[in-house]
Amino acid sequence: AQTVTQSQPEMSVQEAETVTLSCTYDTSESDYYLFWYKQPPSRQMILVIRQEAYKQQNATENRFSVNFQKAAKSFSLKISDSQLGDAAMYFCAYRGLSNYQLIWGAGTKLIIKP
Amino acid sequence: GAVVSQHPSRVICKSGTSVKIECRSLDFQATTMFWYRQFPKQSLMLMATSNEGSKATYEQGVEKDKFLINHASLTLSTLTVTSAHPEDSSFYICSASRGRVGNQPQHFGDGTRLSIL
Repeated sequence: AQTVTQSQPEMSVQEAETVTLSCTYDTSESDYYLFWYKQPPSRQMILVIRQEAYKQQNATENRFSVNFQKAAKSFSLKISDSQLGDAAMYFCAYRGLSNYQLIWGAGTKLIIKP
Repeated sequence: GAVVSQHPSRVICKSGTSVKIECRSLDFQATTMFWYRQFPKQSLMLMATSNEGSKATYEQGVEKDKFLINHASLTLSTLTVTSAHPEDSSFYICSASRGRVGNQPQHFGDGTRLSIL
């Protein structure tokens, strides 16, 4: 069975600085999808970025980028130029090719210091 | 695009009441919808997966008779918490996906905070 691990329950960063959130996963599948979701205090779950495992190039969305290391089964999220609005819970999620369910990590609470 | 509307956003009711939560995909056809429950400071726990026109698939430990799911159309799924009790108080979130497989992400509703007195 697949598992997703987020080892950082909480992270804090100074506004305008860069922070990296860690995520590792375990799977025997060769093709799959990885996602980072953001859940602000409003509780809405927002897709931040996604990565297809067959793509070697790391996904990037504006200030958000990932470091995808397939061999190490690592999928970290880097947030550059942190803003107050980035404060939220961040969840890493895995989805296999044949199973449409998402496997969720426990989440990392990101605190932005003004 | 890919907007999911969940209603109501908050429900407060007495023990024994049945509560219906709606999840609608507003601008796409959702082949598959998911219902999650989230406890404070925890991750999402998948309760069930529903496919349009068929019975929902419930996760282990989730009572089918307690949490009734109907996915009658490609844009609407409902979760009914029957005879709700205080232990059912939680945050419920739905999500919808265009397809069953592939890289189609799940799009989430805003959630429903259910409080049973």
